[in-house]
Amino acid sequence: DTGVSQDPRHKITKRGQNVTFRCDPISEHNRLYWYRQTLGQGPEFLTYFQNEAQLEKSRLLSDRFSAERPKGSFSTLEIQRTEQGDSAMYLCASSDIRDNEQYFGPGTRLTVT
Amino acid sequence: QKEVEQDPGPLSVPEGAIVSLNCTYSNSAFQYFMWYRQYSRKGPELLMYTYSSGNKEDGRFTAQVDKSSKYISLFIRDSQPSDSATYLCAMGTDSWGKLQFGAGTQVVVTP
Repeated sequence: DTGVSQDPRHKITKRGQNVTFRCDPISEHNRLYWYRQTLGQGPEFLTYFQNEAQLEKSRLLSDRFSAERPKGSFSTLEIQRTEQGDSAMYLCASSDIRDNEQYFGPGTRLTVT
Repeated sequence: QKEVEQDPGPLSVPEGAIVSLNCTYSNSAFQYFMWYRQYSRKGPELLMYTYSSGNKEDGRFTAQVDKSSKYISLFIRDSQPSDSATYLCAMGTDSWGKLQFGAGTQVVVTP
């Protein structure tokens, strides 16, 4: 296992379309996190799973956003009816249950035109 | 006011110099402190992870946490051009859950 992977790496979509991103965590990690990062800013927390349970959601995660982690393995983040303000880097991280060392994937860069 | 403040830089140093980075924070509940390195258009890479106050050293990197002053630092010795990146501090209140990040400091190491 070489780390957290994300797919796609870059997505360009038109305003109003739906998009879905996938994250595969480090295989033995129980916890999975989604963050969003805009230019010149640090990552902002969106949501967090322990196994398949979604334990926390940020107020940033509007009704247009939904995340799932079926069977506690990979996770998907869907954005419905995309807006230009959704353009950002979407980062996934995972950690072991013993600590909070979060390891990040390469990110999915979303551009909404 | 943001919970975590970090000077955006850029911080330019000559090769071989010591790079000194810091963050201040306002939430006294933070107990876990991390430093990440991020190259342009890449995901953050975990460099240092510390719990509570004290120092931690790993190779050329030293992390310091002063909870009484709500201040954390990262020092990079013998800096190399490959250290040129954005450095992010991050903090958490528990051994699980969300991290609060600073905005990042851009570092440029010139040959």
